[in-house]
Amino acid sequence: GAGVSQSPSNKVTEKGKDVELRCDPISGHTALYWYRQSLGQGLEFLIYFQGNSAPDKSGLPSDRFSAERTGGSVSTLTIQRTQQEDSAVYLCASSQTGTTNTGELFFGEGSRLTVL
Amino acid sequence: GDSVTQMEGPVTLSEEAFLTINCTYTATGYPSLFWYVQYPGEGLQLLLKATKADDKGSNKGFEATYRKETTSFHLEKGSVQVSDSAVYFCALTGRGSSNTGKLIFGQGTTLQVKP
Repeated sequence: GAGVSQSPSNKVTEKGKDVELRCDPISGHTALYWYRQSLGQGLEFLIYFQGNSAPDKSGLPSDRFSAERTGGSVSTLTIQRTQQEDSAVYLCASSQTGTTNTGELFFGEGSRLTVL
Repeated sequence: GDSVTQMEGPVTLSEEAFLTINCTYTATGYPSLFWYVQYPGEGLQLLLKATKADDKGSNKGFEATYRKETTSFHLEKGSVQVSDSAVYFCALTGRGSSNTGKLIFGQGTTLQVKP
């Protein structure tokens, strides 16, 4: 596609429910990143994919968070048993390669998650 | 680990005022440095970047110079406009074969420009 597409744009859920957030990167981009943007916390790195593998999962905050990527394209971030502190905007970004030292990341508009 | 520190906002300026948003970093090796901007209701987009010491990145009237000796990458603009109102993020990424391209971001600085 023309840009990074994320869905849903907004999600309101009840505490304890599972949610899935989807990211469709720019066509041909092999690297994909998930970030979390919380009020007053800046952007927090969650996970990085190169193709379908995730060599860097260091930012996932707990085992309730998982992500997968299939076909080297679409990625899904799953949050199980959501908690109120999971409320944030979840951003996805992609780039042509993860090993360049000058690479620009292209961001989607994010999925705003509210846990009641 | 690597980190980025930005001045806290919000920064409120009148139109045509001079803007400086401070950014300092801690990193091993020689990172590339970036400024990203997030306009209201939009996704983050790259504003400018610099890949080595003394490089100056520039775009849309904004400038930032990679200062290795002070580990800084301050963002400046000589005359801001209302349309520059946004959140500005300083970021770095590492170098080398182990680099994943992952960006480390600062906390973001909100700029509000009043007419």
